[in-house]
Amino acid sequence: DAGVIQSPRHEVTEMGQEVTLRCKPISGHNSLFWYRQTMMRGLELLIYFNNNVPIDDSGMPEDRFSAKMPNASFSTLKIQPSEPRDSAVYFCASSLIGQGVNEQFFGPGTRLTVL
Amino acid sequence: AQTVTQSQPEMSVQEAETVTLSCTYDTSESDYYLFWYKQPPSRQMILVIRQEAYKQQNATENRFSVNFQKAAKSFSLKISDSQLGDAAMYFCAYAGNTDKLIFGTGTRLQVFP
Repeated sequence: DAGVIQSPRHEVTEMGQEVTLRCKPISGHNSLFWYRQTMMRGLELLIYFNNNVPIDDSGMPEDRFSAKMPNASFSTLKIQPSEPRDSAVYFCASSLIGQGVNEQFFGPGTRLTVL
Repeated sequence: AQTVTQSQPEMSVQEAETVTLSCTYDTSESDYYLFWYKQPPSRQMILVIRQEAYKQQNATENRFSVNFQKAAKSFSLKISDSQLGDAAMYFCAYAGNTDKLIFGTGTRLQVFP
């Protein structure tokens, strides 16, 4: 199994530009999570999907952030327009909910730098 | 709401020695899971060990073991025979009735030769 795949691994952009982060969950998993990690705020859950449906987006910081999961094997997190304070490492994780243990498997993360 | 607290921002240990990382949590739920994740400099979040709250027996994975005290809401991680590769950030996490993981703020572990 390839694990959770994220792209790009690194992204540098200028303030005001649109940024799209991509995630491919582990095949067979039914839940997908987007996290943001910063030194100041630690690991924050932004949004999660179950069976491709957004369940909880209360962690999405503002309307500039949006996430989609058009099918079971792909999700995007979009920031438009980006701001320097969005600089962080963004993680995607997937799990198989309903099988007892809510273990989440993380991707390698995308380091985003907004200049 | 559930919370997870890691009161040790940094810890250090000498190679081959044993170190214990602390974690406490607060919840009103009776069924839940607890996890320790390791994040090395590569940033990859790696599951180290997990514990089901309904199990009294402490989980072990090779050199890693936990001391789970349900009444005290404590979930510490013991690393035996520490190795240089154990140097990383360690996060304690809680999963209850929702699907979400709640993370502590992490403990940075340094391992000295």
